[in-house]
Amino acid sequence: DAGVIQSPRHEVTEMGQEVTLRCKPISGHDYLFWYRQTMMRGLELLIYFNNNVPIDDSGMPEDRFSAKMPNASFSTLKIQPSEPRDSAVYFCASSELAGASTDTQYFGPGTRLTVL
Amino acid sequence: KQEVTQIPAALSVPEGENLVLNCSFTDSAIYNLQWFRQDPGKGLTSLLLIQSSQREQTSGRLNASLDKSSGRSTLYIAASQPGDSATYLCAVRLGRDSNYQLIWGAGTKLIIKP
Repeated sequence: DAGVIQSPRHEVTEMGQEVTLRCKPISGHDYLFWYRQTMMRGLELLIYFNNNVPIDDSGMPEDRFSAKMPNASFSTLKIQPSEPRDSAVYFCASSELAGASTDTQYFGPGTRLTVL
Repeated sequence: KQEVTQIPAALSVPEGENLVLNCSFTDSAIYNLQWFRQDPGKGLTSLLLIQSSQREQTSGRLNASLDKSSGRSTLYIAASQPGDSATYLCAVRLGRDSNYQLIWGAGTKLIIKP
């Protein structure tokens, strides 16, 4: 398996522009997570899905952020409009069976977003 | 509210030494605890997962322990190598199903000097 795939790996954009980050989870995994990592705040969970349905989006910072999972093999995280404080590394992770105590999350390589 | 703390934030040791990384959490009602490794510019990789009913897990030169009553976990690395240089994060899982979330520590940046 190729693991969790994220695109693009790097994104540089100007304030006010729309940004779309993409994620392909590991095939067969039922859970998908979006995280944001910054030096100041560490790793933060933004939202997670179970079987394509959003379960908890309490970590989404504000209405400028939205996430979708139209099918089991694809998810997007959109920021519109983007702001400089959104600059961070965004990770996508997937998990096979979160109900098992032995389950773990598999992370993608991340998208480094810079908003100028 | 569960909080996870990792001390120290950074650690530099000579190659070959044994070392211990620390992780503490405030609420002992956890489902499991995991240790992850993050290399610069890359995602996180799970190293060890300890279930709430377990005391320790081992993988190669790595050994992780869990003491729920004291809210502590340690990651022991034996005979450290330069390739072990990375940031190590611990994460506590609060529960299953609808409570599925990982609470993360800030990480310990480890540098192994050749």
